[in-house]
Amino acid sequence: NAGVTQTPKFRVLKTGQSMTLLCAQDMNHEYMYWYRQDPGMGLRLIHYSVGEGTTAKGEVPDGYNVSRLKKQNFLLGLESAAPSQTSVYFCASSSLRQGTNSPLHFGNGTRLTVT
Amino acid sequence: QQPVQSPQAVILREGEDAVINCSSSKALYSVHWYRQKHGEAPVFLMILLKGGEQKGHEKISASFNEKKQQSSLYLTASQLSYSGTYFCGTEEDNDMRFGAGTRLTVKP
Repeated sequence: NAGVTQTPKFRVLKTGQSMTLLCAQDMNHEYMYWYRQDPGMGLRLIHYSVGEGTTAKGEVPDGYNVSRLKKQNFLLGLESAAPSQTSVYFCASSSLRQGTNSPLHFGNGTRLTVT
Repeated sequence: QQPVQSPQAVILREGEDAVINCSSSKALYSVHWYRQKHGEAPVFLMILLKGGEQKGHEKISASFNEKKQQSSLYLTASQLSYSGTYFCGTEEDNDMRFGAGTRLTVKP
């Protein structure tokens, strides 16, 4: 019963380096989301996807790219990391459209530090 | 646009009650409530859909007033295990936006 799995759990990058965070879900969910969490700011939506092959921008998309080539995977990329991207990143998935009884299932997070 | 939560923090003694509020400037399809313990992922508590319904989870309940675009989370007879940060989430189009959170501390 894996649910939503994020890899890696921790990462330290130097300014300008790139990396990809992987989110995988085994619940056959259509919707997937990437959030970042900073102290006092709550969860802020970076990008999301409403199905395989689709992506859309959230509140804070600058500096990030995403891809959803397979329904179960949602990748978050940082092309040129900046210290402002130091944060905890959460992936989440849900099954149904808005206005329905469909909660978000979260992964355990990735703690990223950019020096 | 993120919903606005209040208060930012609450400190309670075991057995006391608390109310956390969530409001939005936009019409809401639904409101979600989640609790997050330190260093862990948010955990789902409940969803409230249009219709002003109330729901309950243990001794935690919530209401949703769609006309006022507001939701409130009620924690009664609080337990130590209720400590954590509570987030409300609101659906806008196909995405989910969260408030900044309310940190709840329950002391013995």
